Amino acid sequence: KNEVEQSPQNLTAQEGEFITINCSYSVGISALHWLQQHPGGGIVSLFMLSSGKKKHGRLIATINIQEKHSSLHITASHPRDSAVYICAVGSTGNQFYFGTGTSLTVIP
Amino acid sequence: DAGITQSPRHKVTETGTPVTLRCHQTENHRYMYWYRQDPGHGLRLIHYSYGVKDTDKGEVSDGYSVSRSKTEDFLLTLESATSSQTSVYFCAISEGRQGARDTFGSGTRLTVV
Repeated sequence: KNEVEQSPQNLTAQEGEFITINCSYSVGISALHWLQQHPGGGIVSLFMLSSGKKKHGRLIATINIQEKHSSLHITASHPRDSAVYICAVGSTGNQFYFGTGTSLTVIP
Repeated sequence: DAGITQSPRHKVTETGTPVTLRCHQTENHRYMYWYRQDPGHGLRLIHYSYGVKDTDKGEVSDGYSVSRSKTEDFLLTLESATSSQTSVYFCAISEGRQGARDTFGSGTRLTVV
């Protein structure tokens, strides 16, 4: 049983396309994180959400607490957005649960 | 990432040797975590700490021990490294409350030959 489910697992897009990555979770959360990891690289925290919506540049993250669902959107995608995106949930039990990640490739 | 530092960033070691990885925080967060990341498994919890000298096991704790003698440092030790412990190790910190600023480390790439 996975506490955090992400979809899709793999995503290929043409440069300029609008991209959505989804995350569903089953635990009570204190916060939900969207993380980015480039090949061979460390983890960068893009957003931390406990309600509503956040925007940073071309990235938008939303969360619906009642539905236990979050989405990460990338507008006007660019090849430099190619990375693995990981949904992580900080639970009310003081644990982190991670999705298996979405591997995004943006083709020029 | 600001507030959390992992060291070393890269290490190659031989099978059977002891290895210690360090996670250092400047945020005074109560909770600290060690994860390993492997292809096909994502991030898995090794051990975590909920205070000085208070630690508990995660789902993949065999072959690992931890220590937290002060708030800012959480050490992960492989007493006798094996090739199956070749992985990328990440540290995370949390205040353990809603809206807190949780932070993830940049990772330590460990290769056991």
